[in-house]
Amino acid sequence: AQTVTQSQPEMSVQEAETVTLSCTYDTSESDYYLFWYKQPPSRQMILVIRQEAYKQQNATENRFSVNFQKAAKSFSLKISDSQLGDAAMYFCAYRTLLSGGGADGLTFGKGTHLIIQP
Amino acid sequence: DTGVSQDPRHKITKRGQNVTFRCDPISEHNRLYWYRQTLGQGPEFLTYFQNEAQLEKSRLLSDRFSAERPKGSFSTLEIQRTEQGDSAMYLCASSLAWASSTDTQYFGPGTRLTVL
Repeated sequence: AQTVTQSQPEMSVQEAETVTLSCTYDTSESDYYLFWYKQPPSRQMILVIRQEAYKQQNATENRFSVNFQKAAKSFSLKISDSQLGDAAMYFCAYRTLLSGGGADGLTFGKGTHLIIQP
Repeated sequence: DTGVSQDPRHKITKRGQNVTFRCDPISEHNRLYWYRQTLGQGPEFLTYFQNEAQLEKSRLLSDRFSAERPKGSFSTLEIQRTEQGDSAMYLCASSLAWASSTDTQYFGPGTRLTVL
């Protein structure tokens, strides 16, 4: 079974600065998808960015970018020019390409609580 | 707003009672997922539907849990004989999936269950 590890329970960054959230995962598969989701307090989970494992190019979405290191099984999220609205729980998630065996749901890490200091 | 909706948003019940939650996915999304999230943890996959067919169930889904999606639109999750350990946020997500693509899951606001 796949596992996702987020080793930083909490991170703090000054507004307008850059912060990187770490994520590692364990899998024996070669094709899969990785996601970062954001969960603001008392609000629903929102997709931030996704990465297909077969793509070597790192995904970017405006101020959000990832550093995908397939061999190291690492998938970190970089947030540039941090804004107060970025404060939230951030979850890293894995999804297999295989169907069946309970494999179609996302496997999430425990999350990183991001605090933005004004 | 035509996002995923869940009802109720909060439910408090006594141990041993049955509860039912509803999820309305984004219109025309063919996949619907249920997850459970306990405090301080990431969501854990429970089950999912492709149209009206329930295709996968996690080992977390005990016999007291049942989910349906009768017409391939909304879904219900029922918990029978609730236990205190069932207290959690129950999240629903939906996606539009093609045969060989990955589907991006869009989440609802969740139903927070408290079992006294």
